[in-house]
Amino acid sequence: AQKITQTQPGMFVQEKEAVTLDCTYDTSDPSYGLFWYKQPSSGEMIFLIYQGSYDQQNATEGRYSLNFQKARKSANLVISASQLGDSAMYFCAMREGQQAGTALIFGKGTTLSVSS
Amino acid sequence: GAGVSQTPSNKVTEKGKYVELRCDPISGHTALYWYRQSLGQGPEFLIYFQGTGAADDSGLPNDRFFAVRPEGSVSTLKIQRTERGDSAVYLCASASGPSGRKTDTQYFGPGTRLTVL
Repeated sequence: AQKITQTQPGMFVQEKEAVTLDCTYDTSDPSYGLFWYKQPSSGEMIFLIYQGSYDQQNATEGRYSLNFQKARKSANLVISASQLGDSAMYFCAMREGQQAGTALIFGKGTTLSVSS
Repeated sequence: GAGVSQTPSNKVTEKGKYVELRCDPISGHTALYWYRQSLGQGPEFLIYFQGTGAADDSGLPNDRFFAVRPEGSVSTLKIQRTERGDSAVYLCASASGPSGRKTDTQYFGPGTRLTVL
């Protein structure tokens, strides 16, 4: 079974609009972390936002916010006021447990295209 | 300071050859990870170093793959007898160390695109 599922292969949005990128996860570990990364065409993975499983509030970082619904096991990324530079691949990832150095498990990604 | 750097950015080799891919982590980061990203997929974990030792190499696909980090900083991923299926982008990430939330965020380099002909 997929640990991280991103069901939207591609999303299209106009500048200044908000967009939600979906992510669902599967884990039986009560302690986990959820991450979103952006990968532009240059290839580098850029860290955007983090949500811990015990965090009471949804994480926010500038124009990025994470809609964390623990019971539904979803961690959707919301980008407000989209910009042309937001066009990229977006990956949701999970780290299970609190052990040192646990690797990230990534989804297959969603390609976001922002048009003017 | 500088981010994670990887060299070369591109490597083309012939089937059966040996290749080395280098990663320079963020200064002071003790944790280092290697991932492999195939076309259209998310990155997949290969190996994790804490300091000089490989703490988890469960993601290495077979014994043709090996990685070292002799001084706890720069790491080299080594692939012997390369096969066409090894073609992918190899990503390196570093983190400041174990435990904690923000401190365990992994920061990635730009990757090395390996093409095996």
